[in-house]
Amino acid sequence: QSVLTQPPSVSAAPGQKVTISCSGGSSNIGNNYVAWYQQLPGTAPKLLIYENNKRPSGIPDRFSGSKSGTSATLGITGLQTGDEADYYCGTWDSSLSAGGIFGGGTKLTVL
Amino acid sequence: QVTLKESGPVLVKPTETLTLTCTVSGFSLSDPGLGVTWIRQPPGKALEWLAHIFSNDDKAYSTSLRRRLTISSDTSKSQVVLSLTNMDPVDTATYYCARIPKYSSSLYYFDYWGQGTLVTVSS
Repeated sequence: QSVLTQPPSVSAAPGQKVTISCSGGSSNIGNNYVAWYQQLPGTAPKLLIYENNKRPSGIPDRFSGSKSGTSATLGITGLQTGDEADYYCGTWDSSLSAGGIFGGGTKLTVL
Repeated sequence: QVTLKESGPVLVKPTETLTLTCTVSGFSLSDPGLGVTWIRQPPGKALEWLAHIFSNDDKAYSTSLRRRLTISSDTSKSQVVLSLTNMDPVDTATYYCARIPKYSSSLYYFDYWGQGTLVTVSS
């Protein structure tokens, strides 16, 4: 069971907007920055968002991130069929079990 | 151009030790503030963080696997090596290495990933 909680799946139609939530606690999201990763089928994960809301070069502004308290959200607008993928949130956990942590992943289906 | 590539056995037997190598290019393992992490993903399951090592030799391990994991680096070869002892079928997974661009626990993320290598544990 993952330390960070994500919905197992979300879906929306092409062109629509979707949000994916990531819930944690004070030892992780509450005091550290959040990153988001996109994993297309059969490929390695790719950095999508870092430092809660920053996009690496080459990531379109259709992708956005936000954080409030101990939760973070990934938003995707103008959905495309090519956005169908698994999305993971990640951060550092500063508890006694300090280490990197991920959410359980969310499968995005573009209907 | 930053690249990372994992290498190692595709099949190991139960109780054996797995040794994986991550060969990097486009940056140096001695560059200040940079690190490399290992992450695995069992088939159809979520990502699991395993360990990291930074250029200052700071290391950290997953609490649940700490007793079985060892991470090290060879800057002259641009390689980071992960070993996992006493392999079990539940350790079957794709193992990834990735770069950590900043030495900071509050800002912890992975900007470049290797393609991953699938390791199967079976007798």
